[in-house]
Amino acid sequence: TQLLEQSPQFLSIQEGENLTVYCNSSSVFSSLQWYRQEPGEGPVLLVTVVTGGEVKKLKRLTFQFGDARKDSSLHITAAQPGDTGLYLCAGGGSNFGNEKLTFGTGTRLTIIP
Amino acid sequence: EAQVTQNPRYLITVTGKKLTVTCSQNMNHEYMSWYRQDPGLGLRQIYYSMNVEVTDKGDVPEGYKVSRKEKRNFPLILESPSPNQTSLYFCASSYGELYEQYFGPGTRLTVT
Repeated sequence: TQLLEQSPQFLSIQEGENLTVYCNSSSVFSSLQWYRQEPGEGPVLLVTVVTGGEVKKLKRLTFQFGDARKDSSLHITAAQPGDTGLYLCAGGGSNFGNEKLTFGTGTRLTIIP
Repeated sequence: EAQVTQNPRYLITVTGKKLTVTCSQNMNHEYMSWYRQDPGLGLRQIYYSMNVEVTDKGDVPEGYKVSRKEKRNFPLILESPSPNQTSLYFCASSYGELYEQYFGPGTRLTVT
């Protein structure tokens, strides 16, 4: 099983601050997806990165895939209370094909108004 | 509205009593999957299906069964539930080569 470690596990910051969360593995992934999950709901896809070094932006969120495709980061600029949630990364396994996703344990983010 | 539905949303049962959690999607997706989510362990894949009549084990298949007789439905069956299967379960569907997941709302199962 390919493991994805996310850090930090918990993060609580003030509205307006910037933050970065990380998703790391010793394995190479062919693609990396980021999801956000709110209480009582299923995860919702935010973005998919597929190329080493790729950077994608979604409003105030910036996602980067590491050059070696073993890690990824999510940077949020000027955090808002609506950004609160559990952020999950998921890797499409290069050994098994993308159909077998491996999820990280998540970063629980709280933005304090 | 494009969606994945699960039923029931909440279920409390006793050890050994067979149960089925239904999952249905209306997006004509070929791929469907079941996950369980536990504190500190994240989302773990139980079973997945690439198409009708094609299913395969995920990372934690023990104690579970699935079937895929129709494209839209992918039920999860617990033949003899045990307390260690108490968890939050998610069904998901997907299309395309990146298998980006569309998740259902979840089923919270408690086995006493």
